[in-house]
Order: sequence, then C-alpha cells, then structure tokens
Amino acid sequence: DTAVSQTPKYLVTQMGNDKSIKCEQNLGHDTMYWYKQDSKKFLKIMFSYNNKELIINETVPNRFSPKSPDKAHLNLHINSLELGDSAVYFCASMSGTYGYTFGSGTRLTVV
Amino acid sequence: AQSVTQPDIHITVSEGASLELRCNYSYGATPYLFWYVQSPGQGLQLLLKYFSGDTLVQGIKGFEAEFKRSQSSFNLRKPSVHWSDAAEYFCAVTYSGAGSYQLTFGKGTKLSVIP
Repeated sequence: DTAVSQTPKYLVTQMGNDKSIKCEQNLGHDTMYWYKQDSKKFLKIMFSYNNKELIINETVPNRFSPKSPDKAHLNLHINSLELGDSAVYFCASMSGTYGYTFGSGTRLTVV
Repeated sequence: AQSVTQPDIHITVSEGASLELRCNYSYGATPYLFWYVQSPGQGLQLLLKYFSGDTLVQGIKGFEAEFKRSQSSFNLRKPSVHWSDAAEYFCAVTYSGAGSYQLTFGKGTKLSVIP
C-alpha cells in the first residue's frame, strides 16, 4: 500500500480554471505538507498542517487553499490557475521523529 | 531564516569514480540534515539523515555523508558511482525550533554518469 498517495499524477488545464489535488497518507502521521517544485527543480514549502490545523503558510497566493478534512488528508485547491502555477506539487507527511515521507508528485501544466 | 546551499548545479563523473556532493547550511541551532535523491519523473527518496551522534552517517545505495559543524557542511559521498546513480540530489535541513519542522531544501545537484 502506498504510504502517501496523490491524485492525479498529471493534470493539464487551461488558465483561469479551478483544480484540486488530493493527498492521503496511511501512516498515522500528524503533520502534512505541500511543497512546490518549479521548472528549475527548486523545492519550496507551501503549507504545513498539524492535526488538521494550519501551521505554516508561506508566501503563497491566496488562490491556493489547502483543506484538511481529517489528519490523513490534505488537499490543495487552486483557483484561477495561471501559467506560473505550472510545477510539480509534492505532498508529504512527517512522523514525530522527523521521518518524512513524500508522495510521488502531481505534475500540473497550465496552458 | 534557515537556508541550504548546494554550490554545484551539475556534476559529471565516470562510472566507477568517486563522488562528493557538497552541502552547506545556515543557522546556529543544531540542524537535522537529510539527503534525498530524485530520478527523472519520480518522487523523492531518502538516502540518509543526521540528527546527532556519530558525524559519519551511512545510507542506502552505498552513500555516506559527514556532518562537520565547524564548516556547516553535510557532504554526500560515494566511493564508486554506478550509472544508475544519475539523478538529482537534494540536501535538506530542519531544526527542532523550526515551527512545524518543515524541510528547507537546497537547489539540487544534477549528477550525470559517463559509462
């Protein structure tokens, strides 16, 4: 069973659309994250949740809204998609002893 | 703010040669350090991590890294590179006081291997 699963794996959409990426972890971890990897491969933290509560919201446009219905899920909703949103988005979770597990990523392409 | 520097954007080595990838971190507190590898189109795989204790850490796939506090470095090494090691390598850091313990990544080093 996949520990951190993201869907979809690929997402191609037009500018202005709204889309969601789902993330689920079956590890029982309390903390989950969203990272963005840009075209130059740079990975940057976007959001951090601990037990369904937002802990960190880096300088991300408010078009991006994370939602955590329970501690096993952290979904990412993006409104009014722009070309610059094209990237690979990684979900991750962390155990209490700095054991990070990453999902396989969602490649978002905005055309 | 915490930061990680990987000075080498791209390194090319011959198969069988030794490898060292450099990583420097900033911040005064005790860091928790990680190396990840990303193959093309894939996710991130943890190679090794350092929290405390022995400063020479062994990881998977024959990799090791050495923590040097005096140099704020955590360089990754492998004595003999295989063609399958060609990938992007990321150094990352977090700290015990870093909010939700999010990882801060370096910009990565792309490793190419000549057969």
